[in-house]
Amino acid sequence: NAGVMQNPRHLVRRRGQEARLRCSPMKGHSHVYWYRQLPEEGLKFMVYLQKENIIDESGMPKERFSAEFPKEGPSILRIQQVVRGDSAAYFCASSLGSTIYYEQYFGPGTRLTVT
Amino acid sequence: KQEVTQIPAALSVPEGENLVLNCSFTDSAIYNLQWFRQDPGKGLTSLLLIQSSQREQTSGRLNASLDKSSGRSTLYIAASQPGDSATYLCAVYSSASKIIFGSGTRLSIRP
Repeated sequence: NAGVMQNPRHLVRRRGQEARLRCSPMKGHSHVYWYRQLPEEGLKFMVYLQKENIIDESGMPKERFSAEFPKEGPSILRIQQVVRGDSAAYFCASSLGSTIYYEQYFGPGTRLTVT
Repeated sequence: KQEVTQIPAALSVPEGENLVLNCSFTDSAIYNLQWFRQDPGKGLTSLLLIQSSQREQTSGRLNASLDKSSGRSTLYIAASQPGDSATYLCAVYSSASKIIFGSGTRLSIRP
């Protein structure tokens, strides 16, 4: 059973470009979470999605950031018009169900560098 | 609002020593607590997960304890080795939607 997969593992974008980060959850998992780790900081929750629904986006910046988890295919975290402050590691996690009952399993992360 | 604190932020000890990493959280109403290891520039490796009904978990040289009433968890590493050098993250499951992470303890084991 493959773990959580993220691609690309490294992404370089110039200021003003768009970044699209992909996350394929573990087989059978329908709950996906995105976290951001800024340089020298801990991981911060961004968004929690179930298939075709955003459940909690309380950690998402108000502008330029969006996330989706379509019925088919991976979850996508999209950052429009990237700025240098978006440079960070973005981690995706998945679970079988609510965090109340189930462990989250983390992917290897995508390291975004904005030049 | 749940806050997770890890002290110390950095720790350096000689090889072979036993050591304890600390994690404290402000809201005792948690579901699970998990310890991770993160090597520089790498992802997260899950070490131990303690469910709210449990008081400790053990895996090899690692032992994690949980005291919900006092809002504390400790990670005990026995007979430390240079390969244990990494950042250790404490993570609290305190809602249905997210994990709250501490900022980590950067551990260095001197040969």
